[in-house]
Amino acid sequence: AQSVTQLDSQVPVFEEAPVELRCNYSSSVSVYLFWYVQYPNQGLQLLLKYLSGSTLVESINGFEAEFNKSQTSFHLRKPSVHISDTAEYFCAVRRANTGNQFYFGTGTSLTVIP
Amino acid sequence: EAGVTQFPSHSVIEKGQTVTLRCDPISGHDNLYWYRRVMGKEIKFLLHFVKESKQDESGMPNNRFLAERTGGTYSTLKVQPAELEDSGVYFCASSQEELYEQYFGPGTRLTVT
Repeated sequence: AQSVTQLDSQVPVFEEAPVELRCNYSSSVSVYLFWYVQYPNQGLQLLLKYLSGSTLVESINGFEAEFNKSQTSFHLRKPSVHISDTAEYFCAVRRANTGNQFYFGTGTSLTVIP
Repeated sequence: EAGVTQFPSHSVIEKGQTVTLRCDPISGHDNLYWYRRVMGKEIKFLLHFVKESKQDESGMPNNRFLAERTGGTYSTLKVQPAELEDSGVYFCASSQEELYEQYFGPGTRLTVT
């Protein structure tokens, strides 16, 4: 079975400061890794994903995440956050090459303080 | 192209009543998924349709929940009778192929009082 742990339920950070949202997973099989973001009153949107290849993946709005197989982690980072980054962030895994369902973490609410 | 839409956005019902949630996937997406997030917990998979067939319903909590996708287009999720623990946000997602990215709707917030 797969499980995802997001230890930080709420992360307040000042504007233009760096942020890291932690995600650890457990799985007995190979997995694909994802970060989804939910802005207020909107649906979940894919932020970035790791399927294979380079372990460092980036989004178009400056976020990046690194797949660390030995530590079973996929932490999300941004060097300088904006007010518009305030949202809830969900880490998710899915079994590689098979399987249909996502396994999500409990979410991290990021609040950027002006 | 329209995204995944869900109706209603909010529903407040009393324990014992019936509620039907609707999901319209992205046009052409054969795969449709339902997920649920109970407050403060993770988003959990409920079931997966491929066209009108249930591919995987391992996440359905009990027989008070009935999902349908007649004609392979929109889907409904009926809860009958509703219980307090059914409160949460119900998300629908769709994908073109099973292993492709899933696109999520905004969710329906269900409150059972």
